[in-house]
Amino acid sequence: EAQVTQNPRYLITVTGKKLTVTCSQNMNHEYMSWYRQDPGLGLRQIYYSMNVEVTDKGDVPEGYKVSRKEKRNFPLILESPSPNQTSLYFCASGVRGLAETQYFGPGTRLLVL
Amino acid sequence: SQKIEQNSEALNIQEGKTATLTCNYTNYSPAYLQWYRQDPGRGPVFLLLIRENEKEKRKERLKVTFDTTLKQSLFHITASQPADSATYLCAPNAGGTSYGKLTFGQGTILTVHP
Repeated sequence: EAQVTQNPRYLITVTGKKLTVTCSQNMNHEYMSWYRQDPGLGLRQIYYSMNVEVTDKGDVPEGYKVSRKEKRNFPLILESPSPNQTSLYFCASGVRGLAETQYFGPGTRLLVL
Repeated sequence: SQKIEQNSEALNIQEGKTATLTCNYTNYSPAYLQWYRQDPGRGPVFLLLIRENEKEKRKERLKVTFDTTLKQSLFHITASQPADSATYLCAPNAGGTSYGKLTFGQGTILTVHP
């Protein structure tokens, strides 16, 4: 089944403790992206990647890191999480030229205490 | 700066009626515009894409229009059903080398009452 998977789905952590949220897609998509969604602020892009080893900042990249070492994976790294990073995170993937649509993962709900 | 506005945070309609959602954008020249549906706690799901040279696009009960002069897209759901209740997001995209950078509107929460 074609899908985008994220792990973990739920995470409670403490301020300053490094964490990684994994994202994997099995559709051979070149494009992958991370978003966070907060009440009243909508869905905002954190980072995106047009292909392996190519990443770029979205609208809210501060406090996050990403890497794209292989096509299928695009992990989101929070080196020193803070409470304002408590949010619902979505990973997405897509193929440029195929209607430029994106396929979203199920989301990761993060709480930073 | 670029700005996207979707009409009224919430829209309530009766089953069987047509729902019309609006997406206005400023300081944008999108090559295309996408509409997504999102259910509570779940990832958005792609519905329709319309390009700048297209005036209208249809898919089953869904219709999207795109007016680059008015800088507006309208999203219509005809013969609405309670199962259409969800949040609908628009996302204009400049395309080209800016394809990867995507900004979504805040969304309109649609509730269809039986």
